[in-house]
Amino acid sequence: QVQLVESGGGVVQPGRSLRLSCAASGFTFSSYAMHWVRQAPGKGLEWVALTSYDGSNEYYADSVKGRFTISRDNSKNTLYLQMNSLRAEDMAVYFCAGAQVRIGAFDIWGQGTMVTVSS
Amino acid sequence: SNELTQPPSVSVSPGQTASITCSGDKLGDKYACWYQQKPGQAPALVIYQDSKRPSGIPERFSGSKSGNTATLTISGTQAMDEAAYYCQAWDSSTIIFGGGTKLTVL
Repeated sequence: QVQLVESGGGVVQPGRSLRLSCAASGFTFSSYAMHWVRQAPGKGLEWVALTSYDGSNEYYADSVKGRFTISRDNSKNTLYLQMNSLRAEDMAVYFCAGAQVRIGAFDIWGQGTMVTVSS
Repeated sequence: SNELTQPPSVSVSPGQTASITCSGDKLGDKYACWYQQKPGQAPALVIYQDSKRPSGIPERFSGSKSGNTATLTISGTQAMDEAAYYCQAWDSSTIIFGGGTKLTVL
């Protein structure tokens, strides 16, 4: 079935790095633009980053620009988020989400992985 | 930066109609979509391109837009519809979400 499975979350100290992965299955991954969306505890959704279907374009929220890097490997059906210089305000559940170009909305979501930034 | 404004909470009685609004500058020039999120779960798309329903979404969910305000309407609201609802739109090459509305079915 259509599935996105995130991994890589955990507890990290402020200023350190973490890499999230999102494994896709059950659909044509290379046809989807892929995004990371996060949700701080008890808060709303915040878009983080986007990579185009072929990885040729990337866009970022101002809050993470210069610190986070989104990438994808279509041969492995996997999306990544490299997070550097982590801050307390980056603590959240991180969801990967897929968007078909014709829809322009996130029609596939992972279950999320928690990132805790704490000393 | 562009923002989308939603009411923090909406209450509705079972069987009645719930309406959740989403307002933003220039939203009239963009497509709006809506997500439902239940506690401990990932969001799920319920409306895209202002008024289209993905397959599997019940007909009681509908969307509309007038000017710079999009509206999610749930007709014949059921207890299972109690959740947080988020609107979303594109702003150039980035995504903006509304702050979310907690729908309570009393």
